[in-house]
Amino acid sequence: DTGVSQNPRHKITKRGQNVTFRCDPISEHNRLYWYRQTLGQGPEFLTYFQNEAQLEKSRLLSDRFSAERPKGSFSTLEIQRTEQGDSAMYLCASSSLTGGNNEQFFGPGTRLTVL
Amino acid sequence: GIQVEQSPPDLILQEGANSTLRCNFSDSVNNLQWFHQNPWGQLINLFYIPSGTKQNGRLSATTVATERYSLLYISSSQTTDSGVYFCAVESRTGGSYIPTFGRGTSLIVHP
Repeated sequence: DTGVSQNPRHKITKRGQNVTFRCDPISEHNRLYWYRQTLGQGPEFLTYFQNEAQLEKSRLLSDRFSAERPKGSFSTLEIQRTEQGDSAMYLCASSSLTGGNNEQFFGPGTRLTVL
Repeated sequence: GIQVEQSPPDLILQEGANSTLRCNFSDSVNNLQWFHQNPWGQLINLFYIPSGTKQNGRLSATTVATERYSLLYISSSQTTDSGVYFCAVESRTGGSYIPTFGRGTSLIVHP
């Protein structure tokens, strides 16, 4: 069973460095979502793709955040010039949007610590 | 944007007790899901329930979309039910469908 996978699981970086996270969705899922979750809060939506098209990116937190899904399969989320406030769990989810059912399935997340 | 309110924010139960978690949302939604987040942070799907009632073992859920709320019932709670329960909705904003999570209900079940 290949669920949603994310790499790395943990990332520690110094302020000002760039980081990139990868998400591999469930095979054949055409939608892919990125979220950020901070302590005590629910996941906060950042952006989503349908196949390779990024359909919504207005919720990305700043212009330091960008995401790609070049071939409609895996996706990457990049944070440039990291700040301590970027420390959080970054979650990826995918869905198949079959018959109007858009049930999302989540990966284990990447925990980012910015020192 | 849409507001998603979950109650109660915290819940402490003795093993074997029953509970009801509530999710209210401020606008019409396309989809609604309930998740359980385990201590390692993994979000586990419980129900995909934009409307109606579903049951899965000791858990059941009901969504009344016209009245903008959903309920999650946990019966005969077990210590493994501990964790945070999230309600997530998807609503149309402009030309896009935006997912929004509530802040969760933190459940502790004591043996």
